[in-house]
Amino acid sequence: QKEVEQNSGPLSVPEGAIASLNCTYSDRGSQSFFWYRQYSGKSPELIMFIYSNGDKEDGRFTAQLNKASQYVSLLIRDSQPSDSATYLCAVTAHYQLIWGAGTKLIIKP
Amino acid sequence: GAVVSQHPSWVICKSGTSVKIECRSLDFQATTMFWYRQFPKQSLMLMATSNEGSKATYEQGVEKDKFLINHASLTLSTLTVTSAHPEDSSFYICSGGTTPPDGELFFGEGSRLTVL
Repeated sequence: QKEVEQNSGPLSVPEGAIASLNCTYSDRGSQSFFWYRQYSGKSPELIMFIYSNGDKEDGRFTAQLNKASQYVSLLIRDSQPSDSATYLCAVTAHYQLIWGAGTKLIIKP
Repeated sequence: GAVVSQHPSWVICKSGTSVKIECRSLDFQATTMFWYRQFPKQSLMLMATSNEGSKATYEQGVEKDKFLINHASLTLSTLTVTSAHPEDSSFYICSGGTTPPDGELFFGEGSRLTVL
């Protein structure tokens, strides 16, 4: 069974610090990796996607992919209270999109 | 990014009635629409995948006769919850994208259904 695992949290980070969110997946055939942010009562919105090993940076966000270890992470630099949300990891493999349960992130002012 | 409009945002209905939720892709042609359900503090649960002009593919455990999905055009997909019961109360979200989902999924705003 294909699985995507995330720590449910909550992960509490002081404002201005780096928030690190992790996700592991079970299917080595996974090809595409996505991070979505979801505010309470709202639909998910795409933050980052990554296809290749290594780091991908976009503003304050950096996605890191390590296919050998089967994990993908999201770093948020200079965390802001507005970053407080649930972050969902999603992985595509064999024409399926598998979602993690999400990590709740709380940025403390 | 592309826009997916979902309507209604909120709906309250009596047990036994049917509710229709519409999902429209406003500036792109969604060959595939995905319908999700999300219970409080839980992740998205894929209910079904619909391709324009063909029958939807339902995930295991999802009753196709209860959750009717129609994808008659490249810009409109509908989900009808038939004979709704309180346990059907949930947040329903549609998204449009490609098959396989090798790119961004564009989500609707979601529809919160409360069945009394």
